[in-house]
Amino acid sequence: NAGVMQNPRHLVRRRGQEARLRCSPMKGHSHVYWYRQLPEEGLKFMVYLQKENIIDESGMPKERFSAEFPKEGPSILRIQQVVRGDSAAYFCASSPGTATLYGYTFGSGTRLTVV
Amino acid sequence: AQSVTQLGSHVSVSEGALVLLRCNYSSSVPPYLFWYVQYPNQGLQLLLKYTSAATLVKGINGFEAEFKKSETSFHLTKPSAHMSDAAEYFCAVILGNEKLTFGTGTRLTIIP
Repeated sequence: NAGVMQNPRHLVRRRGQEARLRCSPMKGHSHVYWYRQLPEEGLKFMVYLQKENIIDESGMPKERFSAEFPKEGPSILRIQQVVRGDSAAYFCASSPGTATLYGYTFGSGTRLTVV
Repeated sequence: AQSVTQLGSHVSVSEGALVLLRCNYSSSVPPYLFWYVQYPNQGLQLLLKYTSAATLVKGINGFEAEFKKSETSFHLTKPSAHMSDAAEYFCAVILGNEKLTFGTGTRLTIIP
């Protein structure tokens, strides 16, 4: 049973381009969470999704960022018109149900560099 | 509101010495508490979790943590540090909103 798979591991984008980050949760996990880790900082919650639904997006910047978790396929975090401040590590986590009971399983992250 | 505070952004201990990483929480309701470890350029790995069962929780790699309600603490300990323990450690709390809130992390360095 593979863990949470994120790709790509490293992504370089020029300012103004789009970044698409993918996350395949563990088999049987229907809850997906995205977190961002800025250099020398802890992880900050961005969005919580279940299949085809955004449950909580209170941590998402209001513009340029969007997330989806379609019925089929991986969850996608999309950043349009990237800026240097978007450079960070983006982590995805998944859970089979209530996080208080199961906790999260994290992927290895995607490290986005905006040049 | 609920949050966690990690005291000490950097901790250095000698190999074989006791490891103590501090975490205090603030919560108006019984919290669910977690410790995660992050090795360089990797994701987070769950060390242990407290979910209101036993107050002393044993985790992987010889780590354990004790939930102390009177002190609102959930400190992480290991009796004898190993070189492979060098990493960043995060305390985190979660309530019914499913959102895991992390502390700012403690970077552990092991001195040979």
